[in-house]
Amino acid sequence: QQQVKQSPQSLIVQKGGISIINCAYENTAFDYFPWYQQFPGKGPALLIAIRPDVSEKKEGRFTISFNKSAKQFSLHIMDSQPGDSATYFCAATLNSDKLIFGTGTRLQVFP
Amino acid sequence: DTGVSQDPRHKITKRGQNVTFRCDPISEHNRLYWYRQTLGQGPEFLTYFQNEAQLEKSRLLSDRFSAERPKGSFSTLEIQRTEQGDSAMYLCASSRAGERRDIQYFGAGTRLSVL
Repeated sequence: QQQVKQSPQSLIVQKGGISIINCAYENTAFDYFPWYQQFPGKGPALLIAIRPDVSEKKEGRFTISFNKSAKQFSLHIMDSQPGDSATYFCAATLNSDKLIFGTGTRLQVFP
Repeated sequence: DTGVSQDPRHKITKRGQNVTFRCDPISEHNRLYWYRQTLGQGPEFLTYFQNEAQLEKSRLLSDRFSAERPKGSFSTLEIQRTEQGDSAMYLCASSRAGERRDIQYFGAGTRLSVL
C-alpha cells in the first residue's frame, strides 16, 4: 500500500518535444505528490508538486496532471531541452512525513 | 541558507569495518531525513528526526545502522560491520515543519562502496 509505480524507465525525446512520465499510487491517504529532478552526482531537487484537491498544476514548461479517481499523476515537460536530461522521480507523502519515491525515469533530450 | 551538506562525499571501506556519515541540515530546519539510493532506484526512506527526537525508523534499518541527531542540529549515520549490500548512496534531506513543511531539500549524498 506504500508503493508508487513509475513509467517509463527511460525516455528519449527530441529537442522541442513533449516528455511525459506517469506514476500510480495505492494509498489513498497520500496528500502531497512532488516530482524531483536528479542530475548525476547530485541529490534530488524539488521540481514541482501538487495536492490531491487540484487536477493540474503548471509552472513554466512543467505541468502535473492529477487523476484522483484513477490514483494516477503525470509530469509533462513541454518544449523539452537538452538541459532537461536527468532522472525524474515522482513521490508521495502523508502528513509531510517520509517520501515514498517511484523508481525513476531517465530522460534524454537530443538536439 | 547554504543548503544541506553531507560529508564525506565518497567512502570506500572493507567489509566488516564501521563507517560514519555526517549531515548538516539547512539552518533552522527542524526535520532531518536519511534515505538510501541504489543504482537505478529511487531513494528509500531510512529514518527521520524532528529536532533531536528520532520519530520513525524503516524496517530497512537493521540493527547495524544507528542514527543520531544530538541537540537537534547535525546528524550522523553509522553503519557497523559493513556488508557489500550496504554499498549505496546515502542521502540526507531537511525540512521545516510548519512552514512550507512539505519541501524536503536534499544534500548531494555520500556514496559508500564496500569492498
